[in-house]
Amino acid sequence: DTAVSQTPKYLVTQMGNDKSIKCEQNLGHDTMYWYKQDSKKFLKIMFSYNNKELIINETVPNRFSPKSPDKAHLNLHINSLELGDSAVYFCASSQNREAGSTDTQYFGPGTRLTVL
Amino acid sequence: AQKVTQAQTEISVVEKEDVTLDCVYETRDTTYYLFWYKQPPSGELVFLIRRNSFDEQNEISGRYSWNFQKSTSSFNFTITASQVVDSAVYFCALSEFRFYFGTGTSLTVIP
Repeated sequence: DTAVSQTPKYLVTQMGNDKSIKCEQNLGHDTMYWYKQDSKKFLKIMFSYNNKELIINETVPNRFSPKSPDKAHLNLHINSLELGDSAVYFCASSQNREAGSTDTQYFGPGTRLTVL
Repeated sequence: AQKVTQAQTEISVVEKEDVTLDCVYETRDTTYYLFWYKQPPSGELVFLIRRNSFDEQNEISGRYSWNFQKSTSSFNFTITASQVVDSAVYFCALSEFRFYFGTGTSLTVIP
């Protein structure tokens, strides 16, 4: 009965490739997020979706494109991967029915992306 | 400017010692929420507590306790009688319209 799941857990790929990370939540939440955690453990929000609509889009390269087919899923597609994209990517969800992130965010297990 | 400051980057304590992790936040909103998360070596982010800005009562949960003081904009976290399993990175976070995480405090409990 996983709450927020991500696949894959590990992703190793070559520079220039395109890859996707999938996220699903079974909590019935309306808002989902993508975070990037760098090697110094700093957590930075990338995107936030509320009911399939983009709410927050931080300064993220256009090579990153989130897609939310329904409110239970938020996938992250990355084009033309670069060395600096190596990080752990976390998906999260919260109950927030409207835009805004005041409710508790529950995180997936993370996807460790390594770009060679 | 950093919205959430965790000045302690790394802390080491010997098992059974008490340890306090500091968190100072900055906001102009009157309604906001504060959180603590734990990230053990296995990597997942585990939710520990959520407090709203109108509730300054301290909270205790087993060996964990939290001290919220609006006057000093602080939301400190104390672990009593620390154990090796408490070794982790702990993140404090502030939520207004969006979430702001602190940079984390890495706690090592030495057996």
